[in-house]
Amino acid sequence: QKEVEQNSGPLSVPEGAIASLNCTYSDRGSQSFFWYRQYSGKSPELIMSIYSNGDKEDGRFTAQLNKASQYVSLLIRDSQPSDSATYLCAVFIYNQGGKLIFGQGTELSVKP
Amino acid sequence: DAEITQSPRHKITETGRQVTLACHQTWNHNNMFWYRQDLGHGLRLIHYSYGVQDTNKGEVSDGYSVSRSNTEDLPLTLESAASSQTSVYFCASSESAGGGTDTQYFGPGTRLTVL
Repeated sequence: QKEVEQNSGPLSVPEGAIASLNCTYSDRGSQSFFWYRQYSGKSPELIMSIYSNGDKEDGRFTAQLNKASQYVSLLIRDSQPSDSATYLCAVFIYNQGGKLIFGQGTELSVKP
Repeated sequence: DAEITQSPRHKITETGRQVTLACHQTWNHNNMFWYRQDLGHGLRLIHYSYGVQDTNKGEVSDGYSVSRSNTEDLPLTLESAASSQTSVYFCASSESAGGGTDTQYFGPGTRLTVL
């Protein structure tokens, strides 16, 4: 089992819809979770971090964390074509001094 | 403004050659990381450093080496380039050690092709 798993997609949603991106992780001791966005040909950039169970909202973005189910998700409300990108889930693993492990990414396409 | 830069941005080399990719950050961050990104694999950690003279192996470290002689730079060396090392390489940095809440800031990437 991979340490961090995401559906690779592509996920296609119409403009204005809610896009739901999912991620599961294997290390039950993980405490820190991140969502990065990566446009084609560009470098990843952080859009959300979440550390506690429940929801965290930032504008159109909501991160949801369920540590019991080892599941973290990202909801994008009112999706825009500019949201079309690959979304990377990352989990901080504490062994060996601590490091960030990334999922393989989910490609999102928002159609006008 | 503080930033993280990588050079070269594109590199074509031949199998068996030694290649060094440069990474330089001006944030004075303690932590620096090298990742490779391949289709279907996301970002995979190659090596990382939590300070000067500190280096650690990541999940795909075979065939790569790093050294950290100052805070600003973490060069990545491919000792004998192989076609399997054709990839996009990203350098990243973050502020503090082991906190788990650090934001990693990524450089623009280097596209390496090994023929």
